[in-house]
Amino acid sequence: EIVLTQSPATLSLSPGERATLSCRASQSVSSYLAWYQQKPGQAPRLLIYDASNRATGIPARFSGSGSGTDFTLTISSLEPEDFAVYYCQQRSNWPPLYTFGQGTKLEIK
Amino acid sequence: QVQLVQSGAEVKKPGASVKVSCKASGYTFTSYDINWVRQATGQGLEWMGWMNPNSGNTGYAQKFQGRVTMTRNTSISTAYMELSSLRSEDTAVYYCARASPTSGYGAWGQGTLVTVSS
Repeated sequence: EIVLTQSPATLSLSPGERATLSCRASQSVSSYLAWYQQKPGQAPRLLIYDASNRATGIPARFSGSGSGTDFTLTISSLEPEDFAVYYCQQRSNWPPLYTFGQGTKLEIK
Repeated sequence: QVQLVQSGAEVKKPGASVKVSCKASGYTFTSYDINWVRQATGQGLEWMGWMNPNSGNTGYAQKFQGRVTMTRNTSISTAYMELSSLRSEDTAVYYCARASPTSGYGAWGQGTLVTVSS
């Protein structure tokens, strides 16, 4: 089973700052890597799929990069609504088995 | 628009089973896998398994093998997740999500709270 490790567990930043979130896989996941944002009481929302593609309606300040085992979600300039928990998720090619990282909480400093 | 609407909250006793439904609309139900994910209070997301609504094929996370069953009724565009032998640790919000051919779930249900308590 592929394990995803996210870092840091908590990131404290101010609006307007740049956020860099990391997701490391225990073995290569090619580019089958997605990022989600989750706010309290809500279902997760897809931000990035296939490592670097923004989902429909996602602002350009969100970007994803990486391949193989190391991936990054970058938020270029934090808006107040960006403070939330972020998860990465990988999918194996076949059969389609998925795992999530443990999450990074992005909090207001 | 794509929508997944789940059944309401459930309270079950330890050892019982629960069956959660997920009704899809706004797209062709048989064209996308449905996955199930759960989240205990204050915890992270945990993937449970997938189902292909066209073929009925399924794949389950090892942790849930033997306890979970995912099925569907294509005539009403509804997927189901049944979890048996419930224990207190199964108390969580259960989500259905539509998987795309690429990575990622582009649509989620609103979640169903399942509480296991004696």
